[in-house]
Amino acid sequence: DVKVTQSSRYLVKRTGEKVFLECVQDMDHENMFWYRQDPGLGLRLIYFSYDVKMKEKGDIPEGYSVSREKKERFSLILESASTNQTSMYLCASSETGYRNEQFFGPGTRLTVL
Amino acid sequence: AQTVTQSQPEMSVQEAETVTLSCTYDTSESDYYLFWYKQPPSRQMILVIRQEAYKQQNATENRFSVNFQKAAKSFSLKISDSQLGDAAMYFCAYRSALTGGGNKLTFGTGTQLKVEL
Repeated sequence: DVKVTQSSRYLVKRTGEKVFLECVQDMDHENMFWYRQDPGLGLRLIYFSYDVKMKEKGDIPEGYSVSREKKERFSLILESASTNQTSMYLCASSETGYRNEQFFGPGTRLTVL
Repeated sequence: AQTVTQSQPEMSVQEAETVTLSCTYDTSESDYYLFWYKQPPSRQMILVIRQEAYKQQNATENRFSVNFQKAAKSFSLKISDSQLGDAAMYFCAYRSALTGGGNKLTFGTGTQLKVEL
């Protein structure tokens, strides 16, 4: 089975802190994604990567950056966390090809105080 | 840009009954993929069913089936013989066949399904 893991289920940080959310997948997928999930807004794409060291902005990239140094790992970085970044963050991965489903991690509930 | 609309924030169904969740989308493209994802209370999102736009036959997966109306841009999910384990948030999602790099998904806002005894 495909497994996508995220480093933390719950995280509490203070305003202004630098925050790293880590995601690892074990199926050699080319594509990896970071979403933010908020009630009433569904999932919104922050960034995605289709290859090592390659990244593209999604719909809401402001305040975030990403890093993909190895194929299996995709990191989301909040350079200076703010309270409006309190949210659920979901990582996903997929093979290339538009028929292919995305596999999701369990999510990280981030609270910024 | 494509948009996906789920107009039912919450739905309820009695155990063993049938329920239909609605989804509409807006696109100018002719080739695309549609998905229904389920997010149980434990939060791990899983794929329920997928539909290719160029296939007229509606997809089915056991108790789950879709009603795909391409002209109307409608993609509803029917759950038959509902079970307690079907209680979850359901998301409709769209993927363009033309998107270069990545296979991005556009999600709806979700429908919370409650299953009652």
